[in-house]
Amino acid sequence: EPEVTQTPSHQVTQMGQEVILRCVPISNHLYFYWYRQILGQKVEFLVSFYNNEISEKSEIFDDQFSVERPDGSNFTLKIRSTKLEDSAMYFCASSRGQGATGNTIYFGEGSWLTVV
Amino acid sequence: QKEVEQNSGPLSVPEGAIASLNCTYSDRGSQSFFWYRQYSGKSPELIMFIYSNGDKEDGRFTAQLNKASQYVSLLIRDSQPSDSATYLCAVSFQKLVFGTGTRLLVSP
Repeated sequence: EPEVTQTPSHQVTQMGQEVILRCVPISNHLYFYWYRQILGQKVEFLVSFYNNEISEKSEIFDDQFSVERPDGSNFTLKIRSTKLEDSAMYFCASSRGQGATGNTIYFGEGSWLTVV
Repeated sequence: QKEVEQNSGPLSVPEGAIASLNCTYSDRGSQSFFWYRQYSGKSPELIMFIYSNGDKEDGRFTAQLNKASQYVSLLIRDSQPSDSATYLCAVSFQKLVFGTGTRLLVSP
């Protein structure tokens, strides 16, 4: 069964450093997402991406964050100048479509980011 | 602000019982409703989705949707200890908005 894959599974970084989290969405999916989950809290939407541009972003997704689809398979989340409060599990997800039907979103296993 | 509300639990049920998990949402324009299961430290795993009012059954799981009341529920029949996890309700128009999840504990 196709799945969303993410790397790295765990990254420790120093405060102020840049981090890139990588994802390979399911191959026939067109919509890509990043979510995050701070330990003990709910899963929060960060950004959605379609047709090589951001389609929606949350207020969490400020200038510190950026996304890119550098080639036909990878989807990346870059966090510039990381802060302690960026420590969280970051989930990449993808779906075939959006709207009322056909928009089931499948999640990767997550990248656990620890900022020290 | 779109909100999805769930009781955080824990909901404790004995093995073999029916577990009933509930969720309410604020956005009447929501079109798709999902239940995910999340084990500690793992990613959300899709259990079921429902789009139309009424019941939808899949094995031991039944999702119920009442759009007039803005209410979604998940019933788990014959609960097993392996069902112990946090169950996330998620509501979608274009992106998913998650509730905080209900922790389910099934005791042997």
